[in-house]
Amino acid sequence: DAKTTQPTSMDCAEGRAANLPCNHSTISGNEYVYWYRQIHSQGPQYIIHGLKNNETNEMASLIITEDRKSSTLILPHATLRDTAVYYCIVRFYFGNEKLTFGTGTRLTIIP
Amino acid sequence: EAQVTQNPRYLITVTGKKLTVTCSQNMNHEYMSWYRQDPGLGLRQIYYSMNVEVTDKGDVPEGYKVSRKEKRNFPLILESPSPNQTSLYFCASNGFSEIGLTEQFFGPGTRLTVL
Repeated sequence: DAKTTQPTSMDCAEGRAANLPCNHSTISGNEYVYWYRQIHSQGPQYIIHGLKNNETNEMASLIITEDRKSSTLILPHATLRDTAVYYCIVRFYFGNEKLTFGTGTRLTIIP
Repeated sequence: EAQVTQNPRYLITVTGKKLTVTCSQNMNHEYMSWYRQDPGLGLRQIYYSMNVEVTDKGDVPEGYKVSRKEKRNFPLILESPSPNQTSLYFCASNGFSEIGLTEQFFGPGTRLTVL
């Protein structure tokens, strides 16, 4: 699976949009971009995934650049409960669902 | 409510005393797996199971056993725990769609301390 690079930490004001970047310059054509988050020491929670088109669900939006070498997770109206570590993962859709979590981005929502 | 449950949530034990951490999912998922999470090392897969009676090693299987006798349950067994198995453990499950595995659902975690 391709490696990803994320900033170590970010702050965002409550109510504002949180934009979390991820670089995956070695991504291959069959690899998807997944985002998970982990609140404190709870089990990681799936947020969203995409291949090349932008995606949106009830939690977030995922913007993937045209060359697919980077993406941005957008939490449109961040709340204090969105404070967590966010992981960007690149993997094939098929095969062993082994998620290689890096160190992620620690997002802190400021009141 | 769709969920993955683990028990116990917290456990302190001593070296060599066999223990089992249970995992159960109510989503009829075929795929289940176990991870351990340690500071600075992220999540590492221990074992996974593609379906009943089908299990395989992940990245760090030494010192662990699993079984998959029923679709919903995937217990993790430590026959002779050692202090280096002190960690936070997560069970997870996935279903299958027509194009592959669905997103992974994680349990709440089991914090194990081996003295």
